[in-house]
Amino acid sequence: AQTVTQSQPEMSVQEAETVTLSCTYDTSENNYYLFWYKQPPSRQMILVIRQEAYKQQNATENRFSVNFQKAAKSFSLKISDSQLGDTAMYFCAFVPNFGNEKLTFGTGTRLTIIP
Amino acid sequence: GAGVSQSPSNKVTEKGKDVELRCDPISGHTALYWYRQSLGQGLEFLIYFQGNSAPDKSGLPSDRFSAERTGGSVSTLTIQRTQQEDSAVYLCASRERETQYFGPGTRLLVL
Repeated sequence: AQTVTQSQPEMSVQEAETVTLSCTYDTSENNYYLFWYKQPPSRQMILVIRQEAYKQQNATENRFSVNFQKAAKSFSLKISDSQLGDTAMYFCAFVPNFGNEKLTFGTGTRLTIIP
Repeated sequence: GAGVSQSPSNKVTEKGKDVELRCDPISGHTALYWYRQSLGQGLEFLIYFQGNSAPDKSGLPSDRFSAERTGGSVSTLTIQRTQQEDSAVYLCASRERETQYFGPGTRLLVL
């Protein structure tokens, strides 16, 4: 069975600063996908970024980037130039193989951007 | 295009009543998932539909929970004889390739 661990229940950072959210996972699979989802108070779960395990290059999406360390089973999210709209719960999630199975989620990190 | 939609947005019911929650996936997505998000349990998988295959019901917590997907599109999650511990946000997602896209959820409160 796969597990996903987010060890930071809450974080806060000043607007325009950079923040890194941690995620580790455990799996015996060699091929899988990792995701970061954002859930603002509106409750909508929004995809932030995805990473394919067989790709060594770290994924980036504008101000969001990941540090994927496959051997260490680590998948952290870096948010640069943080904005007030980044305030949300952030969930790390894992799906094995070709992605046609259920997502396993971490417990989430509540991120607050301070004006 | 339109995203995943869910209805109702909020539902308040009395203990013992049945409820139905609806999910409309993104057009063309053949895979559909239900998850439950509650304070004590985090995000839990409930059930997964893929095309015409038999659904994966391994996450359903009891036989009071059931789901169907009609015509390979709309899905309904039914909870019979609701209990207070069923109070949660119920999220639906549809999948394109490896990525699941979520609806806004239904918040269920059982009094």
